[in-house]
Amino acid sequence: AQKITQTQPGMFVQEKEAVTLDCTYDTSDPSYGLFWYKQPSSGEMIFLIYQGSYDQQNATEGRYSLNFQKARKSANLVISASQLGDSAMYFCAMRETTIGANSKLTFGKGITLSVRP
Amino acid sequence: NAGVMQNPRHLVRRRGQEARLRCSPMKGHSHVYWYRQLPEEGLKFMVYLQKENIIDESGMPKERFSAEFPKEGPSILRIQQVVRGDSAAYFCASSPPLAPEQYFGPGTRLTVT
Repeated sequence: AQKITQTQPGMFVQEKEAVTLDCTYDTSDPSYGLFWYKQPSSGEMIFLIYQGSYDQQNATEGRYSLNFQKARKSANLVISASQLGDSAMYFCAMRETTIGANSKLTFGKGITLSVRP
Repeated sequence: NAGVMQNPRHLVRRRGQEARLRCSPMKGHSHVYWYRQLPEEGLKFMVYLQKENIIDESGMPKERFSAEFPKEGPSILRIQQVVRGDSAAYFCASSPPLAPEQYFGPGTRLTVT
């Protein structure tokens, strides 16, 4: 069963506008973590933001925020004030803590974001 | 503070040769993960190691692939007798003890000809 679902085929946003990238997940583990990573065309994976399943507030990191809706099992990434350098592939990932605090990440297939000047 | 280092960045091997990929985690990080990314896909977990121990190798192919993280030195992902299907980007990530974030290296792009 697919655990992380990213179905948006590709997103376009005008520079300086906000954009939301969707992510839904599936797990039976009550304790888990959700991540977003950015992969620009150069290929590296850049950690953006983390949300724990028991965190009371939505995570924020600068222009990135995570809209965490636990009942709906969604963890959408919101990028405010888009910049040209935000054009990249974005991956949602989940960690299930069945074997302790450190465990593998399961990734979605990713979403391509293109920022238009 | 240097990030996760991987070398080589690009590796070309002929079918049947061996590929060795190296990963040096961030300073203070004792947990190392290897992932593989096929073209146009997300990353797939391969193996999770701590110093001198393999913790989870559920994503490793049963044959030809092995990984180690010795007491001294980098973590090594070894692929024996490579085939064209092994062509992919291989990423290493590290994390400190008891922290969830994993920080990735730049990846090694393996091409099998």
